[in-house]
Amino acid sequence: AQSVTQLGSHVSVSEGALVLLRCNYSSSVPPYLFWYVQYPNQGLQLLLKYTSAATLVKGINGFEAEFKKSETSFHLTKPSAHMSDAAEYFCAVSSGGYQKVTFGIGTKLQVIP
Amino acid sequence: KAGVTQTPRYLIKTRGQQVTLSCSPISGHRSVSWYQQTPGQGLQFLFEYFSETQRNKGNFPGRFSGRQFSNSRSEMNVSTLELGDSALYLCASSPTEEETQYFGPGTRLLVL
Repeated sequence: AQSVTQLGSHVSVSEGALVLLRCNYSSSVPPYLFWYVQYPNQGLQLLLKYTSAATLVKGINGFEAEFKKSETSFHLTKPSAHMSDAAEYFCAVSSGGYQKVTFGIGTKLQVIP
Repeated sequence: KAGVTQTPRYLIKTRGQQVTLSCSPISGHRSVSWYQQTPGQGLQFLFEYFSETQRNKGNFPGRFSGRQFSNSRSEMNVSTLELGDSALYLCASSPTEEETQYFGPGTRLLVL
């Protein structure tokens, strides 16, 4: 069984501030972990993925995430928020593959000028 | 390369009707997955097809079905529509089952 918990359905940050979106997972086998972003009226775009290689994963648009097995976490960070980062972010897990992915409920990021 | 395309983009149906949604994967991609997105339940996996065979299935009733054609295009069908079927239906494709999925823009279905 696998599951994902995203802490905070809405997060607000000021432009230029640190972005931190929290994700905790549960998986009975070594997981694959993903962060996706969804802009209004669009599909999901992959930001980054962890597939058992380096624990610090760098993605697109300046985002990165760190896999911490002891904490079962995969938090998403970006040093400096831009207005264009305002979107909904989804953490996802799959048990050792790319299919049958379980998504978190999503976190809407608001960037305040 | 063109991305994943889904048709139609918007659809309005009434309870009891059936609906067919279409997904054209990225050229060369053979795996297609379908997801349902609702405000209350979030994103839920429906099913996944690879080379015309259903490989994985989520926890949805039998009213939800799908198929994949030899050119990798996929359709999903929902019969006897219920109000709760109103959702954004997303299709994702990947070259194989062991590679990253790329999502289409979705079909927004409204059941009245």
